Amino acid sequence: EVQLVQSGAEVKKPGESLKISCKVSGYSFTSYWIGWVRQMPGKGLEWMGIIYPGDSDTRYSPSFQGQVTISADKSISTAYLQWSSLKASDTAMYYCARSSEQANWFDPWGQGTLVTVSS
Amino acid sequence: DIQMTQSPSSLSASVGDRVTITCQASQDISNYLNWYQQKPGKAPKLLIYDASNLQTGVPSRFSGSGSGTDFTFTISSLQPEDIATYYCQQYDNLPLTFGQGTKLEIK
Repeated sequence: EVQLVQSGAEVKKPGESLKISCKVSGYSFTSYWIGWVRQMPGKGLEWMGIIYPGDSDTRYSPSFQGQVTISADKSISTAYLQWSSLKASDTAMYYCARSSEQANWFDPWGQGTLVTVSS
Repeated sequence: DIQMTQSPSSLSASVGDRVTITCQASQDISNYLNWYQQKPGKAPKLLIYDASNLQTGVPSRFSGSGSGTDFTFTISSLQPEDIATYYCQQYDNLPLTFGQGTKLEIK
């Protein structure tokens, strides 16, 4: 069974750094893209970027380029999303999801990581 | 960026009704479109890929059609467990983009 298990909820202060994780199992980690999607409270889905763990090829949405860093560790089949300096506007649910070899669909999704940034 | 516009934004229907949601792309995206279901408090789930292909395990009451700029998602007979928000998503070009969502409620 393909599974993506994300790290737990985080509460941070503005300016702090954060790295959340997405551990996958049930398929070859290096053969599929993994994407990250943001969902702000009560809002829709926003694509942030994708990474191909096989060669670490990474693509970002222009809206998130320079704001976050996506990475992957092949040795432990885990993808990451990190911030160097959080803002209150980063408060949201963040989902990872497996994408296809062609980076077109997302299936399945992780359970989500809620990030709350508040002073 | 390719803009995806869904309508309606919300919809109230009765059990057994036929429900239709539309998604319009700001440019021709061929059939490079997916549909997702997100139930309250849950992660999204892929229902339809490549505009009209039903993902494995998804009930046959769900269907999708369209190509170019205009797409349709249909539930042939609404069930209580279909209460959710539905999103379209294009993959013709990066950045991948989602529609704003259609919230479906039971009347």
